[in-house]
Amino acid sequence: DAGVIQSPRHEVTEMGQEVTLRCKPISGHDYLFWYRQTMMRGLELLIYFNNNVPIDDSGMPEDRFSAKMPNASFSTLKIQPSEPRDSAVYFCASRTDSPGGETQYFGPGTRLLVL
Amino acid sequence: AQKITQTQPGMFVQEKEAVTLDCTYDTSDQSYGLFWYKQPSSGEMIFLIYQGSYDEQNATEGRYSLNFQKARKSANLVISASQLGDSAMYFCAMRERDRRGGATNKLIFGTGTLLAVQP
Repeated sequence: DAGVIQSPRHEVTEMGQEVTLRCKPISGHDYLFWYRQTMMRGLELLIYFNNNVPIDDSGMPEDRFSAKMPNASFSTLKIQPSEPRDSAVYFCASRTDSPGGETQYFGPGTRLLVL
Repeated sequence: AQKITQTQPGMFVQEKEAVTLDCTYDTSDQSYGLFWYKQPSSGEMIFLIYQGSYDEQNATEGRYSLNFQKARKSANLVISASQLGDSAMYFCAMRERDRRGGATNKLIFGTGTLLAVQP
């Protein structure tokens, strides 16, 4: 089975530009998570969805960040306008709601650099 | 507040030897889950092993085992017969509880331990 798929793998953009990160969770998984990893803050959860519905977005840093999940197989994380401090690795993860499905499986990440 | 502590910023181990990576956690919950992830230099996060707080036996997955000591609130990762490909960053994580005590899906991560396997 395919794992979590993220695109693009790398993104370089200029300050002020809109950035859209994409994620396809593992088929059949009910939960989707967006994480950000930086040297200063480590790994932090931004938002997560259950059955396409946003459940907790308390980790979203500010209004410049938005996330959507229009269907069970696709989610986007958008930053508009982007700033240099948004430079980080953004991970998408998913897990099942089935018994024993505790584990979150991560995608390869998107390395974002905002100049 | 719940917290994960990894006190070893970096470690060396000789190839084919065993190594233990430390993880302690702080929680007042009775039910929780502990995870270990590996992050090689390529950047992806790879799930290694999971331990539930009510699991009576230590979790094992191939060369990985989790030394779970509940009373001491430690969940150390043991890698047996280290290989060069084990060189990576290793993160310990715990599933968090929300303020009302309900289970959440949030994972809180430690700061990681960088393991270098020497030939």
